[in-house]
Amino acid sequence: NAGVMQNPRHLVRRRGQEARLRCSPMKGHSHVYWYRQLPEEGLKFMVYLQKENIIDESGMPKERFSAEFPKEGPSILRIQQVVRGDSAAYFCASSPRRQGGDTEAFFGQGTRLTVV
Amino acid sequence: SQKIEQNSEALNIQEGKTATLTCNYTNYSPAYLQWYRQDPGRGPVFLLLIRENEKEKRKERLKVTFDTTLKQSLFHITASQPADSATYLCALPYNNDMRFGAGTRLTVKP
Repeated sequence: NAGVMQNPRHLVRRRGQEARLRCSPMKGHSHVYWYRQLPEEGLKFMVYLQKENIIDESGMPKERFSAEFPKEGPSILRIQQVVRGDSAAYFCASSPRRQGGDTEAFFGQGTRLTVV
Repeated sequence: SQKIEQNSEALNIQEGKTATLTCNYTNYSPAYLQWYRQDPGRGPVFLLLIRENEKEKRKERLKVTFDTTLKQSLFHITASQPADSATYLCALPYNNDMRFGAGTRLTVKP
């Protein structure tokens, strides 16, 4: 059973370009969470999705950021018109049940986005 | 607003000693608390979960305590080894997700 797979591991984008980060959850997991981590800072919650539905996007900036988790295929975090401040590590986690419901989260290795 | 504070950014100890990491929280009433380990360039890995009605939980050389009156959790690694060097994160449930502390970077010197 493969773990949570994120790709690419590293992504370099010029200012103004779009960044697409992909996350394939563990088999059997229908709950996906995206977090952002800046150097020397903790993980900041961005968005929680369940298959085809956004459950909670309270941590995601309203402009330029969007997320989806289609019926088929990986979850995608999309950042449009990237700026230098978007440079960070983006982690995806999956769980078989809602995270707040007393279950551990399984994290991917992250995508390190660098905006130049 | 809710706050999670981990005692220090970095902790250096000698191999064989016990490492003690602290997680304090305010404006939360969590039903449980989790600890994760994160190595450089990698995602966090779940270590332990402790519920509010459990005072202490153990797993091999790890021990976690949870004091809901003090709003504090202590994470202990006994007989520490250089391989234990990593950043340790505490996490509390919040609505639909987990909220994480900034972490404590532990270095165990041989």
